[in-house]
Amino acid sequence: EPEVTQTPSHQVTQMGQEVILRCVPISNHLYFYWYRQILGQKVEFLVSFYNNEISEKSEIFDDQFSVERPDGSNFTLKIRSTKLEDSAMYFCASNIGGTTDTQYFGPGTRLTVL
Amino acid sequence: DAKTTQPPSMDCAEGRAANLPCNHSTISGNEYVYWYRQIHSQGPQYIIHGLKNNETNEMASLIITEDRKSSTLILPHATLRDTAVYYCIVRARQGGSEKLVFGKGMKLTVNP
Repeated sequence: EPEVTQTPSHQVTQMGQEVILRCVPISNHLYFYWYRQILGQKVEFLVSFYNNEISEKSEIFDDQFSVERPDGSNFTLKIRSTKLEDSAMYFCASNIGGTTDTQYFGPGTRLTVL
Repeated sequence: DAKTTQPPSMDCAEGRAANLPCNHSTISGNEYVYWYRQIHSQGPQYIIHGLKNNETNEMASLIITEDRKSSTLILPHATLRDTAVYYCIVRARQGGSEKLVFGKGMKLTVNP
């Protein structure tokens, strides 16, 4: 069964450093998302992406964040200058769109900012 | 904010049916009810969704009341591996990019 994959599973970085989290959505999906979950809190929407453009972004998704689909398979989330409060699980999701648009999530990347 | 209300937690005995309630009294006509679950800190796992008819798949059944203001997710024979946080989410199904708004969910603990 196709699934969303994410790398790395755990990323440790120093405050102020740039990180790139990578996702490979399900191959025929057209809509892509990033969510995050701070430990013990709710899953929060960050951004949605379609046709090489951001469709919607939350207040969390400020200028320090960016997303890119550099090729036909990867979808990345970049944090330019990490802060302590960026420590969280980051989940990528995708859906095909149209009448069958259930979102499927990846296993997540745990980001730890020291 | 999430448009649904769930009890914070529930226990269930292994092998018994688990009935997970959800209230969504402000649901509108084009909104579907989705259920996901999250085991530990893993990615949310899709379970089932429905609009107004009852639905069943290999994981669960979804019963939606006639007025659509509430629903129940049924795990027919709960196992220890069903211990997770379950999220009931109301979402417009527009055929495009509609984000999921997660609430706190309900922690289901399946006991041996």
